Formats: sequence, C-alpha cells, structure tokens
Amino acid sequence: DAGITQSPRHKVTETGTPVTLRCHQTENHRYMYWYRQDPGHGLRLIHYSYGVKDTDKGEVSDGYSVSRSKTEDFLLTLESATSSQTSVYFCAISGTMGSSQPQHFGDGTRLSIL
Amino acid sequence: QQQVKQSPQSLIVQKGGISIINCAYENTAFDYFPWYQQFPGKGPALLIAIRPDVSEKKEGRFTISFNKSAKQFSLHIMDSQPGDSATYFCAARGGSSNTGKLIFGQGTTLQVKP
Repeated sequence: DAGITQSPRHKVTETGTPVTLRCHQTENHRYMYWYRQDPGHGLRLIHYSYGVKDTDKGEVSDGYSVSRSKTEDFLLTLESATSSQTSVYFCAISGTMGSSQPQHFGDGTRLSIL
Repeated sequence: QQQVKQSPQSLIVQKGGISIINCAYENTAFDYFPWYQQFPGKGPALLIAIRPDVSEKKEGRFTISFNKSAKQFSLHIMDSQPGDSATYFCAARGGSSNTGKLIFGQGTTLQVKP
C-alpha cells in the first residue's frame, strides 16, 4: 500500500467549529489531492497541490482551505464547519500527473458535523 | 462538460456470472480512464485503466471496453466472485486544464451472491 496516513480517522464536531484534517505521505510524491465522498456523487475534488505551497481549487472548494508547508503533509481546514460538510474525506497522492503514476488513496476520514 | 455518468447505481450478480458497469462522458479531451475498487472502510484502489487509443484492455477477470465514438466505456468482471463485492468507480482525467485531476462517476455497488 502507498504510504498515506490520514488523521483523524473519525471525528464528530459541532457546527461552527474549525476542523483540520491531515494527510501524511512517505512516498515523496509531488501531487496531493483532497476529495469528499458522498452517496450518489462519487468522489469530488476539493483542493489539490502540485508542490510545496502550490495549491489550487477543485470543483467543491467553497468552505475549505488547504495548506502544504512540507512535501509530506497536506492539511484540509474547514474554517467554520457546517452540516453539509458531513462526509468521508479522502486524500490521494501521485508522483506525476500522468497515467504512469496513478493516484493512490488513503483510507479516509469520516467527519460528522452535528 | 466535465461530468462522468455511471450506471447502474447497484448491481446484484450470481457467483460465476458477468458483472457489467457502464460509464459515459462528454469531454473529448479526456485522455485516461481508470476504474477504482473500494471496500468498506477503505480508500479506492486502482483496478485497471485504459487510454482512448485502445478499444479493450484485459487484466485477469477484469476487462475495460472503450468506445471512443460513443464516448462510453465499461468494466466487465468475468466469473464474478463474492470477494468482488465492492463499490466501483469509473473516472476520467484531462480536459481543458490537465493537472492530473480525476472526474469520478457516481459509483456502483456490486454484490456477488454465493
């Protein structure tokens, strides 16, 4: 398995609180991605990073921010969590954007916002 | 259009039967089409992938059929086994801004009955 660790694995929090999810990789891969998974929607890209301090928005970025200060860590922050952000969040990594190194996923963080 | 439409939403197959999952896309700039398999509590894992210059790719019991003119591709699982019970996602990469981002289908939950 690709060396990807997501933390925490489960979290329950209240509306309006800040939440930070962490993705840590040991593969030294350049590209990192955050997705959310919801029934009927598959996986949707939130933000991605193409290098240290280089990030960009995905299709569902509203309400989320990211940071990447080191190659191995990619943080996803919900500044003020809302119930609509209850979801399973997956981090993925890739050495290149080409098909020769496909995206590998972590095991997810299940986030519940009450 | 950046969407990938996947069907059916769920599928029940008898052991030994053939499972077929279909996907359709609109963006002709997509250049890489992977299929991911996901077990409960785990992240998606790459199963098989195809590029649009190939009409078929086979790996063991898993085959992708690709119809470029119809903008459709499908996953065939031959001799389906109970261990194949999982959620399957098709995806597409590329488009107007190729940054390695994947667009996922909505997912298909496959149950293989013994």
